[in-house]
Amino acid sequence: EPEVTQTPSHQVTQMGQEVILRCVPISNHLYFYWYRQILGQKVEFLVSFYNNEISEKSEIFDDQFSVERPDGSNFTLKIRSTKLEDSAMYFCASSGAALGKLFFGSGTQLSVL
Amino acid sequence: KQEVTQIPAALSVPEGENLVLNCSFTDSAIYNLQWFRQDPGKGLTSLLLIQSSQREQTSGRLNASLDKSSGRSTLYIAASQPGDSATYLCAVSTGANNLFFGTGTRLTVIP
Repeated sequence: EPEVTQTPSHQVTQMGQEVILRCVPISNHLYFYWYRQILGQKVEFLVSFYNNEISEKSEIFDDQFSVERPDGSNFTLKIRSTKLEDSAMYFCASSGAALGKLFFGSGTQLSVL
Repeated sequence: KQEVTQIPAALSVPEGENLVLNCSFTDSAIYNLQWFRQDPGKGLTSLLLIQSSQREQTSGRLNASLDKSSGRSTLYIAASQPGDSATYLCAVSTGANNLFFGTGTRLTVIP
């Protein structure tokens, strides 16, 4: 069965450093998302992306965050200058239709020291 | 803002028992509702998606119902198995291109 792939599975970085989280969505999907889950808290929406542009973003997704689809297969989340509070599990998801069933990757556990 | 609540937070049942997980949401103007399963350290697996016009969806031993007007959904698991042990998350879409998640119910099925 097709799946969403995320790399790396774990990322440790120093505060203030830039990180790029990578995702390969399901190949025929058109809608892409990033969510995050801080330990013990709810899964939170960050951003949705369609047709090479952001379609929706949450308050969390400030100027320190950016997304890109650099080629036909990858979808990346960049955090420019990481803060301690950015430590969380980051999930990529994709969907074949707007507001359709979401397929999630296994996540990248980001630890900011 | 949409708030999603799940009760109970944790549930432990003996194998073979039928069980019900509850989800409530504050804004009934939803587009759809999804139930997900999350295993420790893993991603989320979509179990069932119910459109706002539907009352229920079934997949194998799982049945999800939706009462949009009262802001409630239930996930019924029949004949529970140890492999069903996981955290179950409810999430609603309000028509914007995102989901609002509940805090989840952690289910343990005891062999």
